[in-house]
Amino acid sequence: QVQLQESGPGLVKPSETLSLTCTVSGDSISGYFWSWIRQTPGKGLEWIGYIYHGGSTTYNPSLQSRVTMSVDTSMNQFSLQLTSVTAADAAVYYCARGYRYGDGYYYFDSWGQGTLVTVSS
Amino acid sequence: DIQMTQSPSSLSASVGDRVTITCRASRSISTYLNWYQQKPGKAPNLLIYGTSSLRSGVPSRFRGSGSGIDFALTISSLQPEDFAIYYCQQSYTTPWTFGQGTKVEVK
Repeated sequence: QVQLQESGPGLVKPSETLSLTCTVSGDSISGYFWSWIRQTPGKGLEWIGYIYHGGSTTYNPSLQSRVTMSVDTSMNQFSLQLTSVTAADAAVYYCARGYRYGDGYYYFDSWGQGTLVTVSS
Repeated sequence: DIQMTQSPSSLSASVGDRVTITCRASRSISTYLNWYQQKPGKAPNLLIYGTSSLRSGVPSRFRGSGSGIDFALTISSLQPEDFAIYYCQQSYTTPWTFGQGTKVEVK
């Protein structure tokens, strides 16, 4: 059974870069769409973007100018970088596996436990 | 972006009750609709995908329906482990978006 685990600093200073890594175990990273999703009490669940195992990406336009995702298939990991963070970026960040089937249907079938990121000086 | 609006935002129910949660999209999403359950301190967990397909291992008391802009998640007989927050999510087009959630509480 696939397992996902987020890692990275829980505290980031305003204007700095948030960096998180998701380590995938129990299955290959190939063949899936790997997403980052964040959750706040105010905005709920927000999809940040995905990276395919080959490296192609699609980002949420609301964050596109600040987001970079990368994948390391040799380590079975993928990563998120979010630049110029503000208090509005404080959230629980989840990594999730996206599965595509049929005529472009997608769903998130496995999630990490989530990691709380606080933005404060 | 496609806005997903769930109703109600919360509901109180008893074990054994039939519960229905609705989700409305701001424009047609065909059947590109998923449902997730989230319990406190945990990540969301997929229940239903493609509007009505039950994920393997999910009890048959969960049922999804709808198409276009209106969708529903029905729990036929609420069980103690079903008290949680439920989210719909559209995968018709990026950015993929979620509803604001419906909290199912003990009456």
